Amino acid sequence: GEDVEQSLFLSVREGDSSVINCTYTDSSSTYLYWYKQEPGAGLQLLTYIFSNMDMKQDQRLTVLLNKKDKHLSLRIADTQTGDSAIYFCAESFTGGGNKLTFGTGTQLKVEL
Amino acid sequence: GAVVSQHPSRVICKSGTSVKIECRSLDFQATTMFWYRQFPKQSLMLMATSNEGSKATYEQGVEKDKFLINHASLTLSTLTVTSAHPEDSSFYICSASTGRDTEAFFGQGTRLTVV
Repeated sequence: GEDVEQSLFLSVREGDSSVINCTYTDSSSTYLYWYKQEPGAGLQLLTYIFSNMDMKQDQRLTVLLNKKDKHLSLRIADTQTGDSAIYFCAESFTGGGNKLTFGTGTQLKVEL
Repeated sequence: GAVVSQHPSRVICKSGTSVKIECRSLDFQATTMFWYRQFPKQSLMLMATSNEGSKATYEQGVEKDKFLINHASLTLSTLTVTSAHPEDSSFYICSASTGRDTEAFFGQGTRLTVV
């Protein structure tokens, strides 16, 4: 089976950059995703990257993918208090039809 | 993006009763729907994959007789938790896909509490 690991907790000051990391073991993934979950809510897709890309930037978000090391990261620039949430990385596979394997989740706390 | 509506958002039921959760794709036809379960402070675990008009495919360890999934139309899938027990209390989330997009769209989730 696939294992997707994330650090449990990250605390940053407002205005700083946040970097959330994710490691996975299955190299056959097609897309890798970052989702945001606020307390008691569903999942909000933030961004995704195709597995043959190294980087993707979308406004304050930068995704870096190192396929060799099976490492994915999400950088949030100018982190705001509204960014406080749990962040999940997830991967999908060829033929999986958007079935996702989720990481363990990282709780981001933004302090003033 | 496309909208997936999940209902109810919260439900409390007595132990031994059954609960039905609906997942609707509002503005697209979902050939495939996925049901996930999330325990407090944990990740989402896939329970089953359902394709319209066919039987659901359950992940290992998920009891198909306990978690009944019906995907009778291209816009509706239901998950019925039968004979619910307190250990079934969890957050259940569905997602829907056309199969052609790069993403599946998630519902808001249902918080089930069995007392």
